Amino acid sequence: QVQLVQSGAEVKKPGASVKVSCKASGYTFTSYGISWVRQAPGQGLEWMGWISAYNGNTNYAQKLQGRVTMTTDTSTSTAYMELRSLRSDDTAVYYCARIKKLPPLNWFDPWGQGTLVTVSS
Amino acid sequence: QSALTQPASVSGSPGQSITISCTGTSSDVGGYNYVSWYQQHPGKAPKLMIYDVSKRPSGVSNRFSGSKSGNTASLTISGLQAEDEADYYCSSYTSSSTVVFGGGTKLTVL
Repeated sequence: QVQLVQSGAEVKKPGASVKVSCKASGYTFTSYGISWVRQAPGQGLEWMGWISAYNGNTNYAQKLQGRVTMTTDTSTSTAYMELRSLRSDDTAVYYCARIKKLPPLNWFDPWGQGTLVTVSS
Repeated sequence: QSALTQPASVSGSPGQSITISCTGTSSDVGGYNYVSWYQQHPGKAPKLMIYDVSKRPSGVSNRFSGSKSGNTASLTISGLQAEDEADYYCSSYTSSSTVVFGGGTKLTVL
């Protein structure tokens, strides 16, 4: 079955970077893209951006431009999301989700199990 | 990009029907038929329930339906069941080739 498995929880200090992985299985990785969505404690979903595993194109949410980088390794069917210059308000559960390989991005299915990133001094 | 507007909470009794609204602008909800809905139980990842305004993925109950009028999309759940109690989020593709989510609605089954 189609499955996305994410890396484990992380604790980082303010100013540090974090890199979360998302390993796909059960489908042809390069026929789709991966989007990243985060959810701060007790809050709603926030779209962070997406990457096409087909051609490597990316598009990031404006508020994260310059701090986030999304990449893929097609040899291992794994997507990565790196967030730099971490602040306390980056504390959240980070999800990856499968999307279409090209716009429009009209659905996210399935989702990974989530990775808790805690930013604390 | 501002979040789509959803009611913070809705409630209904078992067997009843409820509707959750999701209001955006002509740059997102009103401009495209690319609204999707997600169900999230506490501590779990979201699950796709509706995409392209009114399409249901395989395996999703036909008690869930979606519609859109102008800048407002709606999710209707008929024959409410206890297991439907969860948070629901709408999302829409936008004119900037990005995605925007709604703030979420907590559904309580009385």
